[in-house]
Amino acid sequence: GAVVSQHPSWVICKSGTSVKIECRSLDFQATTMFWYRQFPKQSLMLMATSNEGSKATYEQGVEKDKFLINHASLTLSTLTVTSAHPEDSSFYICSARGGGGASRTDTQYFGPGTRLTVL
Amino acid sequence: QQQVKQSPQSLIVQKGGISIINCAYENTAFDYFPWYQQFPGKGPALLIAIRPDVSEKKEGRFTISFNKSAKQFSLHIMDSQPGDSATYFCAASVGEKLTFGTGTRLTIIP
Repeated sequence: GAVVSQHPSWVICKSGTSVKIECRSLDFQATTMFWYRQFPKQSLMLMATSNEGSKATYEQGVEKDKFLINHASLTLSTLTVTSAHPEDSSFYICSARGGGGASRTDTQYFGPGTRLTVL
Repeated sequence: QQQVKQSPQSLIVQKGGISIINCAYENTAFDYFPWYQQFPGKGPALLIAIRPDVSEKKEGRFTISFNKSAKQFSLHIMDSQPGDSATYFCAASVGEKLTFGTGTRLTIIP
């Protein structure tokens, strides 16, 4: 139980284009979703926190106009990387926290990640 | 204030041995301490978690030891197996935001 999916699992795009990554909680309602970025052999860095139906809260240093987050429902959040550049290439991971189903309310459940490569 | 320091950075343990990873924190407001396991190209998976009102929690081969006064906690993997080879992250949270340690790359050798 408590499964979080991400789509796509990997994406390659040209510099200047926008890329959308989806994060879904499959068997529980996610009142809060988180987006992380992870560089090779490094830890997870929180980018933003989103609650269903409200604007995302971005961490210091994260450009909100570049990384658009939408938490449209209790099971879906999207991250759009706008005008992507090679330095945006990274592993993007979402997590979800909520209640009901197979989830605990105090636990973040992580998706499998999306590898973004910007050429 | 929000840092979680993790050591060692990498660890090699013989099959059947005990793997020990340590973490230390500064923020005494942290009230939830999970450990995550991550395989290459995958997202982290929750392994085990503890709250500061207990000093130890065991689930199968995995044990968390928690020392509130020293602001330290550790993960012990008993009877380590090659399938345990992965990167392990400790984390701490107050409220909903997790602060991660820097990770430990664990390799179990035959």
